Amino acid sequence: DAGVTQSPTHLIKTRGQHVTLRCSPISGHKSVSWYQQVLGQGPQFIFQYYEKEERGRGNFPDRFSARQFPNYSSELNVNALLLGDSALYLCASSLEQSTDTQYFGPGTRLTVL
Amino acid sequence: GQNIDQPTEMTATEGAIVQINCTYQTSGFNGLFWYQQHAGEAPTFLSYNVLDGLEEKGRFSSFLSRSKGYSYLLLKELQMKDSASYLCAVRDYSSASKIIFGSGTRLSIRP
Repeated sequence: DAGVTQSPTHLIKTRGQHVTLRCSPISGHKSVSWYQQVLGQGPQFIFQYYEKEERGRGNFPDRFSARQFPNYSSELNVNALLLGDSALYLCASSLEQSTDTQYFGPGTRLTVL
Repeated sequence: GQNIDQPTEMTATEGAIVQINCTYQTSGFNGLFWYQQHAGEAPTFLSYNVLDGLEEKGRFSSFLSRSKGYSYLLLKELQMKDSASYLCAVRDYSSASKIIFGSGTRLSIRP
């Protein structure tokens, strides 16, 4: 079975632009979470979606938004990019919302110039 | 509030044993995870503890004491490929069951 997949792998944007990152969970997994990881730090929780509804939100500005589709894939959108948004964006999927292990995708490396 | 502490860096010798400690504070503990992350790669799942005690999985073992807010990851028979960051993470049910990660411990293995 395929693991969590994310696209694109790498992305370069300039300040003020908008970006959309995509994630496909492991087949059968209904929950998707998004994390931001800057160099030297652990992943920081951004959002969790379960059954197409937002179930948790981290301490990120409203420029960050996400959604989950009927096939359980998900998109993370970031508007008005700042230099500080440069990071590895990780998607993790789990079978259910609150009791299962999360498995991470390879991540999208975003660079904002 | 929520807080997870683990050492920033550790060094160990190939073939030896190393223990990486993690202490946490959270209002709604609902399980502790350990992940391994090689440079430039995504975290990979190592272990999950929700009850007190030791969980053994091959060369890796993880221990949890909920009353002390403490966990450790024990790596035996160290190999060069074990050089990586090890992330301690706690699930907090008081906060939509989100998983909170520590900053990670960068482990270097020397020959």
